[in-house]
Amino acid sequence: ETGVTQTPRHLVMGMTNKKSLKCEQHLGHNAMYWYKQSAKKPLELMFVYSLEERVENNSVPSRFSPECPNSSHLFLHLHTLQPEDSALYLCASSQDRGAGANVLTFGAGSRLTVL
Amino acid sequence: GQNIDQPTEMTATEGAIVQINCTYQTSGFNGLFWYQQHAGEAPTFLSYNVLDGLEEKGRFSSFLSRSKGYSYLLLKELQMKDSASYLCAVIYSNYQLIWGAGTKLIIKP
Repeated sequence: ETGVTQTPRHLVMGMTNKKSLKCEQHLGHNAMYWYKQSAKKPLELMFVYSLEERVENNSVPSRFSPECPNSSHLFLHLHTLQPEDSALYLCASSQDRGAGANVLTFGAGSRLTVL
Repeated sequence: GQNIDQPTEMTATEGAIVQINCTYQTSGFNGLFWYQQHAGEAPTFLSYNVLDGLEEKGRFSSFLSRSKGYSYLLLKELQMKDSASYLCAVIYSNYQLIWGAGTKLIIKP
């Protein structure tokens, strides 16, 4: 496989459930990201990992818990979510985390619905 | 704050030309990206501009004016498959990548 792969593509969960989103990249990139995409809103950066170390956490509620066991895999653990957390969750990777021509490669996203 | 502004939706005709504008705050600017996102799919990279002027890639071109805090994406010879959302994003010197809300482009036959 190539690129960035996310599973599951669709997830419906109740507010008391615990689930996880998985992301895998086969590009040899050193940085990985979780974004939240809601309709008609800009992409919201949630977490950034660089060389398996979390380097950014944008005031995300603790009901979202990221995990990066190695440079190819990224998880987003979900528990006691709220209906307003329903959105498309996008994983992305880039060669490094820099301020220049740092092109992101995105996965197709996990569509989350919280009932 | 560092806001990126782009139109919410545009409509154009197959075979025509369309220009999608993006404005941003200039302080700390370090480069501007355009991404394309088809419905239900991943955003994909289209272009990166860091210097003033026009960069052409086939039917797509991207323009940047750093002094005006302005960019546009120009799509020529529009095809039905160009129906998608186009996302403008600016990278700032503090490593912050700020995104616009995207422009949904509808192509009509």
